[in-house]
Amino acid sequence: QLQLQESGSGLVKPSETLSLTCAVSGGSVRSSGYSWSWIRQPPGKGLEWIGYIYRSGDTYSNPSLKSRVAISVDRAKNQFSLGLTSVTAADTAVYYCARSGRYSLFDDWGQGILVTVLS
Amino acid sequence: NFMLTQPHSVSESPGKTVTISCTRSSGSIANFFVQWYQQRPGSAPTTLMYDHDQRPSGVPDRFSGSIDSSSNSASLTISGLKTEDEADYYCLSYDSSNQVVFGGGTKLTVL
Repeated sequence: QLQLQESGSGLVKPSETLSLTCAVSGGSVRSSGYSWSWIRQPPGKGLEWIGYIYRSGDTYSNPSLKSRVAISVDRAKNQFSLGLTSVTAADTAVYYCARSGRYSLFDDWGQGILVTVLS
Repeated sequence: NFMLTQPHSVSESPGKTVTISCTRSSGSIANFFVQWYQQRPGSAPTTLMYDHDQRPSGVPDRFSGSIDSSSNSASLTISGLKTEDEADYYCLSYDSSNQVVFGGGTKLTVL
């Protein structure tokens, strides 16, 4: 059974870079046919797609965040990562990692990690 | 980019049927598969529907999905409502440039 676990700093200062990692177990980022995604949800608000990456390294990201987002895959550590630069309070959210699957773009989800942007 | 518009909230009584709409602002709803996710408080979302009207294994047949090209919208219908169906529901679709969009979400209250 695939398991995804987000980790990273839960508190980031404004203008700094948010960095998160999603550790994959029960599956491999080397597997073909899957996309590895980041989604976020501000407190009390809806879901926002951030972007995804394929094992090839091809990435697609939300145009509203594209200039600040970097998504990468580390095959050796079987994990993928999110970097979001120049954060503001508006980037405060629960950040989820997810993987596509048999059914949908986001068949499997991590539990989420709350990141607060605060000086 | 396109948008997906959902009602902010809906409510209905147990045992009844409720339908949640998801209207696409541009691009044909029929050309890009719609997915639906259910999110209970404090939990990550789970897939309820994919490819417009297909249920993943384990999703009860009380849940059904459809699209209407004339209104460029998708719908999620839940029949025989149960209190456990109380949750937030999100539609999702994409476009030809691999941009993914979530609807704003609909809070379902079963009262």
